[in-house]
Amino acid sequence: SAVISQKPSRDICQRGTSLTIQCQVDSQVTMMFWYRQQPGQSLTLIATANQGSEATYESGFVIDKFPISRPNLTFSTLTVSNMSPEDSSIYLCSVVGTVSYEQYFGPGTRLTVT
Amino acid sequence: GEDVEQSLFLSVREGDSSVINCTYTDSSSTYLYWYKQEPGAGLQLLTYIFSNMDMKQDQRLTVLLNKKDKHLSLRIADTQTGDSAIYFCAESRKNRDDKIIFGKGTRLHILP
Repeated sequence: SAVISQKPSRDICQRGTSLTIQCQVDSQVTMMFWYRQQPGQSLTLIATANQGSEATYESGFVIDKFPISRPNLTFSTLTVSNMSPEDSSIYLCSVVGTVSYEQYFGPGTRLTVT
Repeated sequence: GEDVEQSLFLSVREGDSSVINCTYTDSSSTYLYWYKQEPGAGLQLLTYIFSNMDMKQDQRLTVLLNKKDKHLSLRIADTQTGDSAIYFCAESRKNRDDKIIFGKGTRLHILP
């Protein structure tokens, strides 16, 4: 399995500011995903980030609000821009392991926007 | 459509078996998963099953798949207090770039 770390683990931010979340994996992976889990809800895919190409965003998510970087095969960042209280969620990074059907998740970043 | 449905709550006495059920709508689903999320923690991949399998057993966990009815279940034998968590059913298709669709999660509560 892949070991995934995220920074920060939690943050409290003011409305209108931006936060960049980092995701680090202990092995090289092709596919990385960013999910959002709103309070008491299930997980919703924000975007797929593959190294060497632009991130692919799901319906309802746009690059201006959630810019993503994928500079190499072990690292990615997600920025939550111009935050509002509705952005308060857990943001999770996910990777597909060496066996293609096994998808692993990081511990998540708990974001509270005041 | 791409829906995964599961009941929201389940209460089970310690030592009994827990059975968490899930239905999905996409008949072309390739892989089906169960994830566990403990309070304040990330998601732990518990087990998965290929769509061409009927059953998979892993220690206290048994996954049953009825592909005809698009029904997946997770049985936890000898339920313990450490099993208290939210369990997410999920499915993916290879031709959907491995994107996983999650159910809303079943909160398993263990009674003493």
